Amino acid sequence: DAEITQSPRHKITETGRQVTLACHQTWNHNNMFWYRQDLGHGLRLIHYSYGVQDTNKGEVSDGYSVSRSNTEDLPLTLESAASSQTSVYFCASSFTSGGAYEQFFGPGTRLTVL
Amino acid sequence: QKEVEQDPGPLSVPEGAIVSLNCTYSNSAFQYFMWYRQYSRKGPELLMYTYSSGNKEDGRFTAQVDKSSKYISLFIRDSQPSDSATYLCAMKTSYDKVIFGPGTSLSVIP
Repeated sequence: DAEITQSPRHKITETGRQVTLACHQTWNHNNMFWYRQDLGHGLRLIHYSYGVQDTNKGEVSDGYSVSRSNTEDLPLTLESAASSQTSVYFCASSFTSGGAYEQFFGPGTRLTVL
Repeated sequence: QKEVEQDPGPLSVPEGAIVSLNCTYSNSAFQYFMWYRQYSRKGPELLMYTYSSGNKEDGRFTAQVDKSSKYISLFIRDSQPSDSATYLCAMKTSYDKVIFGPGTSLSVIP
């Protein structure tokens, strides 16, 4: 069965360290998204990609970067982790780029920055 | 004002109750309206989807859209403990990204 996976599921790191969160989907979806979820804010879009070599900034992109070298993967990098980046991170993917579409979410990565 | 507003709850109801979850929005260009359900420590899953105004029913769930009032609702009939989750409304225009509400936490007590 097609799926979307994230790793690691839990991560504790220190302020200033570089961290990369992995996202892998086997749906063959062209669209992929990274969100963070914080109490009171809901899901906020960090970065998104509509295809290989395409990346775009979302509403909370400062301090984060992504790259898309193939259809299946969209890793999220925190260049220099800050305590404000402690959050639950969700990766999602979808097929169409316009109109209505369903986003399929991964199980999430719980990141703690000390 | 946020683009999409939703009462965060928590909402606690007895088993069998009718639940009403609501969202308001400010962007009149939104045309696609969705409800996602998120169980604790899981990713959200699409529950219902509606295009433009009107009602859509799926089993015990009914989604309503009132574009004139910029108001959407999700009704759950005969609520079950397994309905305990966070419900996120989501919406988008025909060309832009999905905007999520902050979610309402629901507990259905046996």
